[in-house]
Formats: sequence, structure tokens, C-alpha cells
Amino acid sequence: DAGVIQSPRHEVTEMGQEVTLRCKPISGHNSLFWYRQTMMRGLELLIYFNNNVPIDDSGMPEDRFSAKMPNASFSTLKIQPSEPRDSAVYFCASKPLRKNTGELFFGEGSRLTVL
Amino acid sequence: QKEVEQDPGPLSVPEGAIVSLNCTYSNSAFQYFMWYRQYSRKGPELLMYTYSSGNKEDGRFTAQVDKSSKYISLFIRDSQPSDSATYLCAMSPPNAGGTSYGKLTFGQGTILTVHP
Repeated sequence: DAGVIQSPRHEVTEMGQEVTLRCKPISGHNSLFWYRQTMMRGLELLIYFNNNVPIDDSGMPEDRFSAKMPNASFSTLKIQPSEPRDSAVYFCASKPLRKNTGELFFGEGSRLTVL
Repeated sequence: QKEVEQDPGPLSVPEGAIVSLNCTYSNSAFQYFMWYRQYSRKGPELLMYTYSSGNKEDGRFTAQVDKSSKYISLFIRDSQPSDSATYLCAMSPPNAGGTSYGKLTFGQGTILTVHP
């Protein structure tokens, strides 16, 4: 079974450009999470969805960040306009809604560099 | 103050050593405690999971939770070079139904190197 698939794996862009990161969760997993990882702050939750509905977006740093989940098999995280401080690895993770262990299945991440 | 504190290391040990990794936390609502392992340029993967207090053993790995002290530990026995990775503690409170949301709060991660 395929794991969580993220694209692109690497993105280098210039300040002010729009960035779109994509995620395909594991089939049957109806909770989806976007995390950001930096050396300074570690892994931080940005937003999560249950059954395609955003439940908690309190971790989204600014209005420049937005996330959507139009269907059960696809989610996007968009940054517009991007800034150098957005440089990080962005992880998507999924889990079955009813599973009670809290185990998340992570993708391999999208490494974003904003120049 | 962060909700979860973890010494980032780095920690370097010889092969065969016993490794002790620790996290402290401040949120008494946390009930689910996990250790994730993250290899370089990969996503984290679950290594150990514990609900509430107590010990859990899985092969060379032992996880301990002391809720009274708000302190969790991961022990690795007979460490191997393949254990070289970043180890992240993670925790979450229960939701209204008593299960975990999956809304995890992570520690900073400890970088471990086991050298032959």
C-alpha cells in the first residue's frame, strides 16, 4: 500500500512568489495533518482536517498560508506571497479518524527554500 | 516555555551502548505519549506508543511515562549504527471520546549517532 505522497519534494522560489504544496493521504485515512519542521522550532502543527473539513487551523502562522482539502484523496497548502522565513520542510500526515493511538503516517516532506 | 522540552543533543555513543532519551512536558492533559524516529531527509515514523503512565517494551526499546513528574523516557539497549537518527517525543490529550485526535505536540528532537 502506498504511503502518504507529497509533491514537490524540493522547491526553491523567490520571495513574493506563490508556493503550492500537495499531499495525497493513505487511502481510507480520513484525518489529514500539515506540519512544518525547522531547526529552530521543530515540528509544528499548522492545520488538520477530519473528513475533508478543517478542524483546527490555529497553527497557521499568517493569512499568507491557506490549506484546502477538496476531496478525501488530495490536500494543498498554499503560501502567497512567500517569504524567506517560510523556508522549512513541510510534512503531510494522515491517520484513520477512529484509530485511538494517535499514530500519524508521515510523507517524506516538501523542502521549501525561499530566497 | 514550550509545552514539551527535549534536549536536542547531539548524542554520540559507541555501538552496544545503552541510550537514554528524555522529554519533559507541562500540559497535564496529555494522555498519549509517543516516540517517533526520523531518518535524515525522511518523515517521522512511529517507534513506540504508550497510553497514560507505565512502561512498554518492544525488543531493544523501552518507553517509560511518569505522569506525576511529567517526564517520559526512551531507552535503547544494545544500540546499533542503524539506530542513528533523530528521535522525537510526541504527546497529545484525549478528545471528547477519549481517543487521540492525532493533534500531536512534538519535542525538538534528539539527534543520535551510534558509531561502530
